[in-house]
Amino acid sequence: GAVVSQHPSWVICKSGTSVKIECRSLDFQATTMFWYRQFPKQSLMLMATSNEGSKATYEQGVEKDKFLINHASLTLSTLTVTSAHPEDSSFYICSARELETYTEAFFGQGTRLTVV
Amino acid sequence: GQNIDQPTEMTATEGAIVQINCTYQTSGFNGLFWYQQHAGEAPTFLSYNVLDGLEEKGRFSSFLSRSKGYSYLLLKELQMKDSASYLCASMDSNYQLIWGAGTKLIIKP
Repeated sequence: GAVVSQHPSWVICKSGTSVKIECRSLDFQATTMFWYRQFPKQSLMLMATSNEGSKATYEQGVEKDKFLINHASLTLSTLTVTSAHPEDSSFYICSARELETYTEAFFGQGTRLTVV
Repeated sequence: GQNIDQPTEMTATEGAIVQINCTYQTSGFNGLFWYQQHAGEAPTFLSYNVLDGLEEKGRFSSFLSRSKGYSYLLLKELQMKDSASYLCASMDSNYQLIWGAGTKLIIKP
């Protein structure tokens, strides 16, 4: 299957700093990428949908000024958590769909963010 | 509204068979997905059903009934490594995945 690479796998940062997470589709072009957050023992919560070359669509309750999403190319989307606080500590996962199909979503490895 | 229901937790014995059910209500329907997720890892794709019936893939099978808004994932010859959460997701008319909360499957020796 297609490969989505997410980096970093884990990060620890100080409260008030910003963290950037990258999501790359390695062997296909992704017009749409999705960013999820998952708290322990809970399901995936969609944060935003990122479309190449346009502004991201954020889910209700997700602060777009805090979670900055950039999808500058068909193979790269980034999520920046700005002014991180301990409550932002979570597992962040991206997924991508191929240009030609809207079926299977391929997931990155996830990023464990801990804000201290 | 859109809703996906699946049991929170199930327990089964190594070598046995287990069926994880999922009911869905979404705005439009473009297929039903099952993903496996081990603790601390991202989900991995297991199956996709868009037509009614049973799809078999090795030890795993997935069934869909669109008229009933119902799917199940069947796991045979259970192994300890099958202990994980199993996520059911329905794709709506906008091709957006609507996720269930996941079923934690515990396998006992």
